[in-house]
Amino acid sequence: SQQGEEDPQALSIQEGENATMNCSYKTSINNLQWYRQNSGRGLVHLILIRSNEREKHSGRLRVTLDTSKKSSSLLITASRAADTASYFCATDQAGTALIFGKGTTLSVSS
Amino acid sequence: DADVTQTPRNRITKTGKRIMLECSQTKGHDRMYWYRQDPGLGLRLIYYSFDVKDINKGEISDGYSVSRQAQAKFSLSLESAIPNQTALYFCATSDFAATGGETQYFGPGTRLLVL
Repeated sequence: SQQGEEDPQALSIQEGENATMNCSYKTSINNLQWYRQNSGRGLVHLILIRSNEREKHSGRLRVTLDTSKKSSSLLITASRAADTASYFCATDQAGTALIFGKGTTLSVSS
Repeated sequence: DADVTQTPRNRITKTGKRIMLECSQTKGHDRMYWYRQDPGLGLRLIYYSFDVKDINKGEISDGYSVSRQAQAKFSLSLESAIPNQTALYFCATSDFAATGGETQYFGPGTRLLVL
């Protein structure tokens, strides 16, 4: 079964607004990663946050991790139409392959 | 050239046929993966290989088999295709780092339709 569950399943915003999506998971992890998928294409790695980190930034992306709540959030600031995509969280447990969630579909309209 | 390539990119086949999807990588990574993606279900792991001699079943391996011919090549076979194997299939590689965790690099996908 899947480890991560993203919320919301779909999100529609206007250009310039911030987009926040959340990921909850079930068991202990080494790190959590976020990936982006443009329609029908391969996933692209965005950012990795380790279990001993609480927040990480990369350009317009901000990721938080709360291991006590087993949850993470991805914030995209000042969204652009080009940010329209599906976003997946993936959890990394020792000795196994990454486990991906079902994704959040983000639509940014201009 | 792309680091992770998949062939074919699109395939239509009939129920009962055996087909093979191929994946090649030039990244020099030991770890390779096969996923399938269905609408609303995200990515589900079919098989993964941590090195040439190590093959592991994933969440949904029934009806599939794999072959790791070399570090750079990892093939997925559907022994007798059925319509519910219609999906988008992705190959991925990773650069496992003991301290930092692994980042996966995905191929462009193979769209498979089983009639």
